[in-house]
Amino acid sequence: DGGITQSPKYLFRKEGQNVTLSCEQNLNHDAMYWYRQDPGQGLRLIYYSQIVNDFQKGDIAEGYSVSREKKESFPLTVTSAQKNPTAFYLCASTLQGPNYGYTFGSGTRLTVV
Amino acid sequence: KQEVTQIPAALSVPEGENLVLNCSFTDSAIYNLQWFRQDPGKGLTSLLLIQSSQREQTSGRLNASLDKSSGRSTLYIAASQPGDSATYLCAVVPSQAAGNKLTFGGGTRVLVKP
Repeated sequence: DGGITQSPKYLFRKEGQNVTLSCEQNLNHDAMYWYRQDPGQGLRLIYYSQIVNDFQKGDIAEGYSVSREKKESFPLTVTSAQKNPTAFYLCASTLQGPNYGYTFGSGTRLTVV
Repeated sequence: KQEVTQIPAALSVPEGENLVLNCSFTDSAIYNLQWFRQDPGKGLTSLLLIQSSQREQTSGRLNASLDKSSGRSTLYIAASQPGDSATYLCAVVPSQAAGNKLTFGGGTRVLVKP
């Protein structure tokens, strides 16, 4: 079955450490997105990519980095510059153009210890 | 800037009652609107996608309407069941936004009591 796989499901980060969240899709979707979800704040866009080797900052990109070396993969690195990284992170993908809906992964919960 | 609002933030109904969930957006220039369901600690599951040229979409007990001129969409869930308990999110793709980025509402948390 086609879908989006996020791993790990749970991740713990020590202060000052960089961690990478994985997002892989086999839907042949062109565009991929990373959202952050905090209680009571809704979903906020971190980064997105519409094509391989190209990506754009979203609304809250500071302290995060991404790469898009393959169409199927869009990993997110949470760097030590992100002061409040504890959140639920969601990856999504869609075909290019306005007529297609989004597909989301099952999320990664990141906790700072 | 497009803003999406969902009121109420939480809703509790007895089993069997019809659910009516509201979504409003400030700019009618949208490509499409999508309704999602989210269970606690889980990702988002797409329920219905309405294109800007459409007035409604239906899937089983779910029906979503879209009125672009008034900036509103309504999700109806007929004959609610305890398994419908979840948070429901609506999101729009604004026509003016690059990258087909979704703008989300804050969600409505639904509890269906047996």
